[in-house]
Amino acid sequence: GENVEQHPSTLSVQEGDSAVIKCTYSDSASNYFPWYKQELGKGPQLIIDIRSNVGEKKDQRIAVTLNKTAKHFSLHITETQPEDSAVYFCAASKGNNNDMRFGAGTRLTVKP
Amino acid sequence: DAGITQSPRHKVTETGTPVTLRCHQTENHRYMYWYRQDPGHGLRLIHYSYGVKDTDKGEVSDGYSVSRSKTEDFLLTLESATSSQTSVYFCAISERDPGRTEAFFGQGTRLTVV
Repeated sequence: GENVEQHPSTLSVQEGDSAVIKCTYSDSASNYFPWYKQELGKGPQLIIDIRSNVGEKKDQRIAVTLNKTAKHFSLHITETQPEDSAVYFCAASKGNNNDMRFGAGTRLTVKP
Repeated sequence: DAGITQSPRHKVTETGTPVTLRCHQTENHRYMYWYRQDPGHGLRLIHYSYGVKDTDKGEVSDGYSVSRSKTEDFLLTLESATSSQTSVYFCAISERDPGRTEAFFGQGTRLTVV
């Protein structure tokens, strides 16, 4: 089955700097790659997603890039703010009911 | 926030006792899911439902059962709780298959088995 690895497990940046989180996946048939943000005491919330027919997608300060050949995708957050502090999860899916696999998560801390 | 309510939010139970967690949605979404979240493992799918009385197993289904008798309710039962089932449990819903579109998560239930 699919295996998703996520790095780093923790990331600390200064406010205003950029943050990059990377994920690799094992199944070349995966075609949907969402990123979720989880704040303390809450459930994960989708912040951006990308499909395999697109190489990059941006939404304000957040962008995701996908390299299908290398089977990795990354989350880029620019101009980080303290409210970006949270745990971020990547995931990969082939589009079936039960095959979504999540990475282990990255705890991002943005220092004021 | 999507209308998802998990109950209870916290529970401590003893090994060997049955436990039922409830997920209630007001969005009329077809798909409902139960995940568990453990350090170093992200979220892992336990069971899911694609309609009333239609359920199937996920990645880590051993020791768990589910039922969905109404569109809005999805129950997760631990027949005989074990310490390895200490975890945070999340319910999720989606209008379509979450392998293709956004899934909305509840606030989570922290279960401790002692």
